Amino acid sequence: EVQLVESGGGLVKPGGSLRLSCAASGFTFSSYGVNWVRQAPGKGLEWVSAISSSSSYIYYADSVKGRFTISRDNAKSSLYLQMNSLRAEDTAVYYCARENSYGDFIYFDYWGQGTLVTVSS
Amino acid sequence: DIQLTQSPSSLSASVGDRVTITCRASQSISTYLNWYQHKPGKAPKLLIYAASSLQSGVPSRFSGSGSGTDFTLTITSLQPEDFATYYCQQTYSTPPTFGQGTKVEIK
Repeated sequence: EVQLVESGGGLVKPGGSLRLSCAASGFTFSSYGVNWVRQAPGKGLEWVSAISSSSSYIYYADSVKGRFTISRDNAKSSLYLQMNSLRAEDTAVYYCARENSYGDFIYFDYWGQGTLVTVSS
Repeated sequence: DIQLTQSPSSLSASVGDRVTITCRASQSISTYLNWYQHKPGKAPKLLIYAASSLQSGVPSRFSGSGSGTDFTLTITSLQPEDFATYYCQQTYSTPPTFGQGTKVEIK
């Protein structure tokens, strides 16, 4: 069974840092790209960042570029998101999502249940 | 970035109703359009990919259609477990973007 389990969320002050983790199981982690997607309170889903299977390709939303760093450790089947210079508007539930494809068509076929990040003084 | 606009933003429906949700893209995205179901406190669930392909394990009462800029998610006979928020997503270009969501509530 495919599982993605996020951890590392919590309360942090503006300007602070936090590192999120996503532990994957039930599939060959090194064969898939993975993404971070967030949902602010009362808002919709917002894509944050993506990393390819071998870390060759990395992408960020403009809203987090220069502050967040995505990485992965295929030996540990884990995905990470280092979040620096946090702002109140980064408050959200953060989900990791596996990326799959059907030909050129990309979709997120498995998601974790999320970890809550609250940025507040 | 490609903008996706869903309508309606919310709707009230009864069990057994036919429900249609639309998603309009700000430019043509061919059929690079996915649909997700999201319940509070749960992981989002993929329903439809490539505009009309049903994800494995998803009930056949869910269907998707459309191409270019206009897309539709249809639930033919709404079940109690279908009350949730539905999102469209485009993966035609980076960044992948989501619609603002459509909340389906019990009438």
